[in-house]
Amino acid sequence: EPEVTQTPSHQVTQMGQEVILRCVPISNHLYFYWYRQILGQKVEFLVSFYNNEISEKSEIFDDQFSVERPDGSNFTLKIRSTKLEDSAMYFCASTGWENTEAFFGQGTRLTVV
Amino acid sequence: GNSVTQMEGPVTLSEEAFLTINCTYTATGYPSLFWYVQYPGEGLQLLLKATKADDKGSNKGFEATYRKETTSFHLEKGSVQVSDSAVYFCALSGGGTASKLTFGTGTRLQVTL
Repeated sequence: EPEVTQTPSHQVTQMGQEVILRCVPISNHLYFYWYRQILGQKVEFLVSFYNNEISEKSEIFDDQFSVERPDGSNFTLKIRSTKLEDSAMYFCASTGWENTEAFFGQGTRLTVV
Repeated sequence: GNSVTQMEGPVTLSEEAFLTINCTYTATGYPSLFWYVQYPGEGLQLLLKATKADDKGSNKGFEATYRKETTSFHLEKGSVQVSDSAVYFCALSGGGTASKLTFGTGTRLQVTL
């Protein structure tokens, strides 16, 4: 069964450093998303991406964040200068053309120290 | 904006007990409704969905009916198992291009022997 894959599964970084979280969505999907889940809290929407541009972003997704689909298969989330409060589980998701069911990756646990 | 309200957890049940996890929503238009499950240490998996009023989603013995008149999508299972122990998230999607998911806070279910 096709799946969304994310790497790394866990990343530890120092405050102020840049991190790139990587995702490979399901190959024929068209819509891509990043969500985050701070420990013990709800899953929050960060950004959606379609046709090589951002469709929607939340207020969490400020200038420190960016997304890119560099090569037609990977979908990346970059945090330019990490803060302690960026520590969370980050989930990538994708949906097909019907856009009715989102498939999630296993997540990347980001720990900022 | 859209919002989802779930019953607070944790919910602790004995094996074979009946489960109900309440979920109500606020949305404009005609959202699609979902239940996602997160097993310990894993990502989000779609459990079931309903895309229009009066639809019943079902999977693995779980059911939920889209009730537009009460804006609810309660999750039920007649007989829970220890393996059902997980966090359950109710979510909605507003529809349209690259439509994001809005999640509830999640309800932790612990099933004991």
